[in-house]
Amino acid sequence: GQSLEQPSEVTAVEGAIVQINCTYQTSGFYGLSWYQQHDGGAPTFLSYNALDGLEETGRFSSFLSRSDSYGYLLLQELQMKDSASYFCAAHSGGGADGLTFGKGTHLIIQP
Amino acid sequence: ETGVTQTPRHLVMGMTNKKSLKCEQHLGHNAMYWYKQSAKKPLELMFVYNFKEQTENNSVPSRFSPECPNSSHLFLHLHTLQPEDSALYLCASSQDRVGAEAFFGQGTRLTVV
Repeated sequence: GQSLEQPSEVTAVEGAIVQINCTYQTSGFYGLSWYQQHDGGAPTFLSYNALDGLEETGRFSSFLSRSDSYGYLLLQELQMKDSASYFCAAHSGGGADGLTFGKGTHLIIQP
Repeated sequence: ETGVTQTPRHLVMGMTNKKSLKCEQHLGHNAMYWYKQSAKKPLELMFVYNFKEQTENNSVPSRFSPECPNSSHLFLHLHTLQPEDSALYLCASSQDRVGAEAFFGQGTRLTVV
């Protein structure tokens, strides 16, 4: 089986930095992705880490440590539009394997 | 707009009804997926199709029946559903390689009464 754990809710202030953690237990692991979902919207891809280390894409960065079965999403210079749910998702097979998602972290941005 | 279109956006059906959800993508992807999203639960992978062949069925009850006539279209046929099947059903597509970005549709909000 596979499971991913992430906090259910995080609150931060506009302009600040926030980190959303994700720990995983999978029978096979190829990498970790992050998705953003606004209320009523479709999940949209943010990042993918296959190797250990930090991947930076604009205000968002994602980190992976395979030895610790741990990753995080770092959001900088928070904006009100970043209020959404953020999901970590594990790739457990080669090819089109589908994703196993965490329950999601609801990020609340306060002015 | 993600390039993945789902219809209908909302559906209310009785437990004895038969209905179908439709998903369409013209992104050139060979893999398509059905996910179920319920409140307070993770997105649950239901089915995976790769080059029109079903490669994964995550112990989904037989009252859900997928169909993939070609790489651009995916259906989910529903019959004799239960109220606990009420959820958001999301379709996604991707290239057939690990780590490929999945593009999701807006989903069908299903209510079973």
